[in-house]
Amino acid sequence: DQQVKQNSPSLSVQEGRISILNCDYTNSMFDYFLWYKKYPAEGPTFLISISSIKDKNEDGRFTVFLNKSAKHLSLHIVPSQPGDSAVYFCAASVAGNQFYFGTGTSLTVIP
Amino acid sequence: DVKVTQSSRYLVKRTGEKVFLECVQDMDHENMFWYRQDPGLGLRLIYFSYDVKMKEKGDIPEGYSVSREKKERFSLILESASTNQTSMYLCASSLKRLAGAQHFGDGTRLSIL
Repeated sequence: DQQVKQNSPSLSVQEGRISILNCDYTNSMFDYFLWYKKYPAEGPTFLISISSIKDKNEDGRFTVFLNKSAKHLSLHIVPSQPGDSAVYFCAASVAGNQFYFGTGTSLTVIP
Repeated sequence: DVKVTQSSRYLVKRTGEKVFLECVQDMDHENMFWYRQDPGLGLRLIYFSYDVKMKEKGDIPEGYSVSREKKERFSLILESASTNQTSMYLCASSLKRLAGAQHFGDGTRLSIL
C-alpha cells in the first residue's frame, strides 16, 4: 500500500509563475520529508528537506510546506524556470530510517 | 562532491541468469540502498545496508540478494532473473542514518528477456 502519494502525474506552468507540487502521506509516524528532482537518464538529486518540528523550510526559489494535521506536503518553486522541468519525487521516513517515495510528478515549465 | 557510480547504464540478460549490479560510492558513506523505479510505482526499496557485511530487507526483497564486503561497494544480485525484474535500478548512499539526503547513481536500465 502506497504510504506516500503524489496524485498529480504531471503539471505544466508558465515560466516565471509559481509551481506547486503536492504530496500526501498516510503514516502519522513520518517525521522527516524530502523532495528530489530527477532529469531523464540521471539519478534523483536531493532538493530540500523538512522535519516534522517545522512547518516551512526555504532554500532560494524552493520552499517546502508541511501540514501535519492534513498529512500533506507541498513544494513551491518561485519563479519557475525552464530548467526546473523534471520529475519531482517526495519521500518520507521515520527518524531517517527507510524512505518511502511517491510516484513522482512531471513538471514542465513553458518558456 | 559525492559520486555514486553504477557499473552499467544498460544491461540485457536472459531469464534464469544470475545478474550482478554493482554500485560504488566514493565518500565513505555508511549507508547504501538499492531501489527499483517502475512507472506509476515510484521508487521502491529492495535492500539497504548500514554497515559492512550488514543488510536489511526493504519493501520488495523477493528474488534479490545483496552483498556488502567493503564499505564503498554494494552489490545487488538477481539470483535467477525473471521478466518481472525488468526495471530501472537505482543505487544510493547517505552519510548517516538520520542525516536524510541520499545521493543516487544514474541508474541501470535492466531488461530481462
